[in-house]
Amino acid sequence: NAGVTQTPKFRVLKTGQSMTLLCAQDMNHEYMYWYRQDPGMGLRLIHYSVGEGTTAKGEVPDGYNVSRLKKQNFLLGLESAAPSQTSVYFCASRPLPNSGPQETQYFGPGTRLLVL
Amino acid sequence: GENVEQHPSTLSVQEGDSAVIKCTYSDSASNYFPWYKQELGKRPQLIIDIRSNVGEKKDQRIAVTLNKTAKHFSLHITETQPEDSAVYFCAASGGAGGTSYGKLTFGQGTILTVHP
Repeated sequence: NAGVTQTPKFRVLKTGQSMTLLCAQDMNHEYMYWYRQDPGMGLRLIHYSVGEGTTAKGEVPDGYNVSRLKKQNFLLGLESAAPSQTSVYFCASRPLPNSGPQETQYFGPGTRLLVL
Repeated sequence: GENVEQHPSTLSVQEGDSAVIKCTYSDSASNYFPWYKQELGKRPQLIIDIRSNVGEKKDQRIAVTLNKTAKHFSLHITETQPEDSAVYFCAASGGAGGTSYGKLTFGQGTILTVHP
């Protein structure tokens, strides 16, 4: 099992450009999440999905959109990147409740994004 | 929504000493409290977790305690080693049921440095 994977690993964008970050998991998890991590602020939830075809806003959703067309993939889009979106982005997934002892989130390796 | 405060932000100890990191949470409905360790440039990885029906949990040199009344929980690392140096994050969740869907609210992180 590859677990949770993210592409790309690193990207530089110019202000106003768009891009899509891909998260994939092979653990058949229902729930998936996108976080951003900034120095001194921990991880903050951007959007999440509780199943294929569903998405919901998290704590800091502005400037981002997401889609979950397939259960194993969760895409994060930036339509018009801004310098404030410079961050490290982590995807995570977890199984449904009562599905086993490890009911916690499993994280991907992260994507470093620099917006100039 | 949930708010998690973590202290201290940095912690420096000598090898062999104990380290304690404390977190408080605001939502009395939270019932799941994981701790993550993040090494430089790596993804957060779960090191221990506790549920609200348990007051203490131990795994070798790591232990977590939970005080539901006071709404705080702590991570204890004994006999610290240089490889324990990392950033540690606490988190709180209302569980994966209901409307919580396993969403985690993270503390701001503690940079632990263990000096040989």
